[in-house]
Order: sequence, then C-alpha cells, then structure tokens
Amino acid sequence: GENVEQHPSTLSVQEGDSAVIKCTYSDSASNYFPWYKQELGKGPQLIIDIRSNVGEKKDQRIAVTLNKTAKHFSLHITETQPEDSAVYFCAAPLEYGNKLVFGAGTILRVKS
Amino acid sequence: DTEVTQTPKHLVMGMTNKKSLKCEQHMGHRAMYWYKQKAKKPPELMFVYSYEKLSINESVPSRFSPECPNSSLLNLHLHALQPEDSALYLCASSQIVAETYEQYFGPGTRLTVT
Repeated sequence: GENVEQHPSTLSVQEGDSAVIKCTYSDSASNYFPWYKQELGKGPQLIIDIRSNVGEKKDQRIAVTLNKTAKHFSLHITETQPEDSAVYFCAAPLEYGNKLVFGAGTILRVKS
Repeated sequence: DTEVTQTPKHLVMGMTNKKSLKCEQHMGHRAMYWYKQKAKKPPELMFVYSYEKLSINESVPSRFSPECPNSSLLNLHLHALQPEDSALYLCASSQIVAETYEQYFGPGTRLTVT
C-alpha cells in the first residue's frame, strides 16, 4: 500500500521568508497529491493539489512541485505571513477507491 | 460553495451513552467519509460511503455505526465508547469521478468520552 513521509515535522520562519515542506510517496501509480492546511480547532482545508501530468502548479503565494521519478512533491509558500501558521498535511491516494493516505504533518510557525 | 457542516461542534458523553454525530453537504458529492483525528496526528479514515452505500470500513469497532440516509447526509452513531475514543471526528465529501479525489472536510466534532 501507499506510504507517505513528510518533513520537517516543525518549521519556524520569519515573516516574509519562504517555507518549503517535502513529502515522499511509495506507490508509483499515485497520480494525485493534495495539500491541506489545518488551523487550530478547525478541519483540514484543501489549499492546493497537483496531478501527475504536470510538474508544478501555483496559486498566488503557494506552489506545489512534483518529481515523479524521485516520487516526491513539495509545498512552497513565499512571503509568509503570520496567518500561514498552521499544521500542513500532504496526502496521496491508495490504488483503489477514494482513500487518501496522509503524511504525519508539519507545524509551521511564522514569527512576526 | 465547498462547505461541509457538522453538528454538534463539541460532545461530552459517558461510556454508557448513545449519541450521534451529523454531517451535511450540498455540493452534489456522492462520496462521504468519516475520519478520526487524535491530537498532533493526521486524520485516519474510518468509513467511506459511495452512492449512499458503505464501500470502505477500516476495521472500525462496532461501537461506531455509520449511516447515510441520503446523498447529502451522513451520520455516525456512537454507543458504549471508551475514553480512548476521545478525538476530533471529521466528515469529508468528494465527487465520484475517475481520478478525482478532492476531498473537502467539515470543521469536525470534538468528542470527549468520560
């Protein structure tokens, strides 16, 4: 089955700096990679996703890159702001159904 | 609109109580999910309903009983829970289209079992 590893577990950056979170997956058949942001006391929010037919996708200050050969994908946040502070989860689908396997999560702290 | 709503927001129950969690979406999604999330951990899948039929049960104990009365509603019936069942219970929904896995989560129900 799919295994997703996420690093780092915690990340502290200064406001305005960039933040990068990396995930690796094991199933070469995986073709969809979402990123979720979870703020304290809230449910996970889908912030960006990428499919295996593209290498990069951007949405304002957020971008995701995918390297299928190396089986890893990364979340990039530029010009970080205090409201970016949250837990971020990557995920990848199992080969069957709609089951997502989540990474362990990264606590991002943006210091102002 | 990508909103999934869940009630109640908080629930405290004793080990002999029976309670239910409710989830609703109006996005026309035909797949709905229950997840359990412990503190500082990722969500763990419990159940998946596709077209109102249970398609995945991740070996969840029978004290958790899901129900999907129609395409917009999902319930989780709780009975004889244990303190270790205390967690955030999340509902999610998605379309059922080939290679579409975009799951949208609700805010969760914070459950405490005493």
